[in-house]
Amino acid sequence: GAVVSQHPSWVICKSGTSVKIECRSLDFQATTMFWYRQFPKQSLMLMATSNEGSKATYEQGVEKDKFLINHASLTLSTLTVTSAHPEDSSFYICSAAGNTGNQPQHFGDGTRLSIL
Amino acid sequence: AQSVAQPEDQVNVAEGNPLTVKCTYSVSGNPYLFWYVQYPNRGLQFLLKYITGDNLVKGSYGFEAEFNKSQTSFHLKKPSALVSDSALYFCAVRPWNNNDMRFGAGTRLTVKP
Repeated sequence: GAVVSQHPSWVICKSGTSVKIECRSLDFQATTMFWYRQFPKQSLMLMATSNEGSKATYEQGVEKDKFLINHASLTLSTLTVTSAHPEDSSFYICSAAGNTGNQPQHFGDGTRLSIL
Repeated sequence: AQSVAQPEDQVNVAEGNPLTVKCTYSVSGNPYLFWYVQYPNRGLQFLLKYITGDNLVKGSYGFEAEFNKSQTSFHLKKPSALVSDSALYFCAVRPWNNNDMRFGAGTRLTVKP
């Protein structure tokens, strides 16, 4: 089946630093990639949708300058949390979808980000 | 815009008993419906989907779901629950013509031995 690799799985860093999270589709071409944020015991909150070679579409309330998304190829998207602060601590999950309309999204294993 | 409701935050069943996790949806046009499972500190794993065809869909790990158009429901079921089925389950819906998928709030399933 389709595999999505997300790296790193766990990050602890100091406030003010920037953190990059990578999301790779290993065995299929991901036309669209999605970035979600999940708070404890809550559902997934869609942050942004990115199509290869295009600017990401951000959901309302998500700061574009804070959460930089790059989708430079059909197999890689990155999320950079810039100048991270403790309130950015969360579980971030990416998913990828191919260009076949009825296929499910395939998810990475998530990145737990802890800002001290 | 599409939406999903999972009316139960928590479902508890005894091992060996049948389980049902409920989901209702709202979407314009024909829906694409999905169930995912999430284990602690992991991403979501795809269980099954309904696109078209038979209303009863079979998926991974013995799970199945029944699409009911008149009730706009897509309940997840399993005839005999296992302790290892304990996890967080998400129902999701998206329209047929775009990738905008919406997730329910999730239902935590606990199967007790």
